[in-house]
Amino acid sequence: NAGVMQNPRHLVRRRGQEARLRCSPMKGHSHVYWYRQLPEEGLKFMVYLQKENIIDESGMPKERFSAEFPKEGPSILRIQQVVRGDSAAYFCASSPPSLSTDTQYFGPGTRLTVL
Amino acid sequence: AQSVTQLDSQVPVFEEAPVELRCNYSSSVSVYLFWYVQYPNQGLQLLLKYLSGSTLVKGINGFEAEFNKSQTSFHLRKPSVHISDTAEYFCAVSDYDTNAGKSTFGDGTTLTVKP
Repeated sequence: NAGVMQNPRHLVRRRGQEARLRCSPMKGHSHVYWYRQLPEEGLKFMVYLQKENIIDESGMPKERFSAEFPKEGPSILRIQQVVRGDSAAYFCASSPPSLSTDTQYFGPGTRLTVL
Repeated sequence: AQSVTQLDSQVPVFEEAPVELRCNYSSSVSVYLFWYVQYPNQGLQLLLKYLSGSTLVKGINGFEAEFNKSQTSFHLRKPSVHISDTAEYFCAVSDYDTNAGKSTFGDGTTLTVKP
């Protein structure tokens, strides 16, 4: 059973470009979470999605950031018009569709560098 | 709202010495508690978790943690560390609410094991 997969592992963008980060949850998992880790800091929650629904986006910046988890395919975190401050590691986690969402399984992360 | 405080940002120890990484949390509701380890340029790996029951939780790699409700702490311990334990360690908390899957993380503790 493959773990949570994220691609690309490393992404370099120039200011003003768009960044698209992909996350494929573990097989059978229908809950996806995105976190951002700035240098020397812990992970900060961004958004929680279930298939075709955004459940909690309280950690998402109001502008330029969006996320989706379509019925088919991976979850996508999209950052438009990137700025240097967006440089960070972005982690995706997934959990199974049980009543208790207590355990999240993390992917290896995408490290975004904005030049 | 929840918060997690990891009391030590860096912990240097010698190989085969015991270690304790401290974590305090605050929450207005019942919580789940977690410790994760992150090796350089990798994702997070779950070390152990407290959901309910026995307050002493044993995890992988010889780590254990004790939940202390009165002190709102969840300190991580290992009786004898190895060089390979050098990594970043994160304490995290998530709501007991079945609809709240997001976790709040501490800023991390860098454990450096010296020969």
